[in-house]
Amino acid sequence: GQNIDQPTEMTATEGAIVQINCTYQTSGFNGLFWYQQHAGEAPTFLSYNVLDGLEEKGRFSSFLSRSKGYSYLLLKELQMKDSASYLCAVYNNAGNMLTFGGGTRLMVKP
Amino acid sequence: DVKVTQSSRYLVKRTGEKVFLECVQDMDHENMFWYRQDPGLGLRLIYFSYDVKMKEKGDIPEGYSVSREKKERFSLILESASTNQTSMYLCASRTPGQGGEQYFGPGTRLTVT
Repeated sequence: GQNIDQPTEMTATEGAIVQINCTYQTSGFNGLFWYQQHAGEAPTFLSYNVLDGLEEKGRFSSFLSRSKGYSYLLLKELQMKDSASYLCAVYNNAGNMLTFGGGTRLMVKP
Repeated sequence: DVKVTQSSRYLVKRTGEKVFLECVQDMDHENMFWYRQDPGLGLRLIYFSYDVKMKEKGDIPEGYSVSREKKERFSLILESASTNQTSMYLCASRTPGQGGEQYFGPGTRLTVT
């Protein structure tokens, strides 16, 4: 089976940096996705990591360590609009589907 | 611009009714998925489909069935709706294989009274 853990809630200040962690246990790991979901809306794709290391995309970066079963999403220069839930999802090649963690609700305060 | 659409944003049904949730994608994706999302429980996979007329159970298939008669359309059916099926239902599609981004529809907020 698969197990994906991420913190339930985090709070950060506008302009700051926040790191959202995700740990996973899975067989047949074949990539990790991060999605952003604003309240009442559908999740939207942020990043995909399949190899170890850091992927940077503007204010957002995502890191993966396959040996540790660990990923994080780094958000820089936080803006109020970044208040949302952030979902970590692991792709299992055997099942050809994504398994999602419970999501981390990020609140950005002025 | 890729698009996944769902037939309704909000739906209210009575206990025991048969409910159809429709999902259509215009990206020619083979794989389609139905999830439900509940506070504190995250996204849970109900059913998915690899191709037309093919379906696989996800983590919580009980009380649901699906239909995939055409590649672009994947329907979720609640044979006899119950109050514990009140939830947000999200449809998604993707190309098979690693790295394929999964696109979500806007969701259907279903309330069963």
